[in-house]
Amino acid sequence: GQQVMQIPQYQHVQEGEDFTTYCNSSTTLSNIQWYKQRPGGHPVFLIQLVKSGEVKKQKRLTFQFGEAKKNSSLHITATQTTDVGTYFCAEADRGSTLGRLYFGRGTQLTVWP
Amino acid sequence: GAGVSQSPRYKVTKRGQDVALRCDPISGHVSLYWYRQALGQGPEFLTYFNYEAQQDKSGLPNDRFSAERPEGSISTLTIQRTEQRDSAMYRCASSGPLNEQFFGPGTRLTVL
Repeated sequence: GQQVMQIPQYQHVQEGEDFTTYCNSSTTLSNIQWYKQRPGGHPVFLIQLVKSGEVKKQKRLTFQFGEAKKNSSLHITATQTTDVGTYFCAEADRGSTLGRLYFGRGTQLTVWP
Repeated sequence: GAGVSQSPRYKVTKRGQDVALRCDPISGHVSLYWYRQALGQGPEFLTYFNYEAQQDKSGLPNDRFSAERPEGSISTLTIQRTEQRDSAMYRCASSGPLNEQFFGPGTRLTVL
């Protein structure tokens, strides 16, 4: 079945350092969505990538979709304590515009002040 | 309402009892999803609806789990004869036009 692998599982950084999490698949991804879940909270949608090589930015967050559509990354520049949480990538069911999401295990980010 | 709501937020039950978890999606959202999330894991798909029709129930672990959305709005996930392994956070989501999913706060189920 569809499966996305995320690395690293945990990341600890000092405030101001950069952070990157990677999402990989052995097969071509139809699309990638990224979610953030704060401690004790629920997943919150960040962005969706669909096109090969796509790059999108949201303030300090940069999202990339690989040229081969087999990987994606989320990069945060100059982390802040508000960035703490778990970041998940997810792929929507292939061949469907609406449907289930397949989530990775997530990368848990801790930011030390 | 402004977001997805779920009730109850916490449910403690004894093994063998039935439980019903409710989800109220964002008004106007056609698709509604149920996920289960274990600690330290990503949400795991259970089932989803478009309007009142259950489109995919392949993620339901066994026949003790069922879901309905009779009027295409509120949905209920029912677990019969609960077992300790059913303890988890159960999350509901509804989706917008780009399949971005809006999650509710979840129901924390504990089976004693």
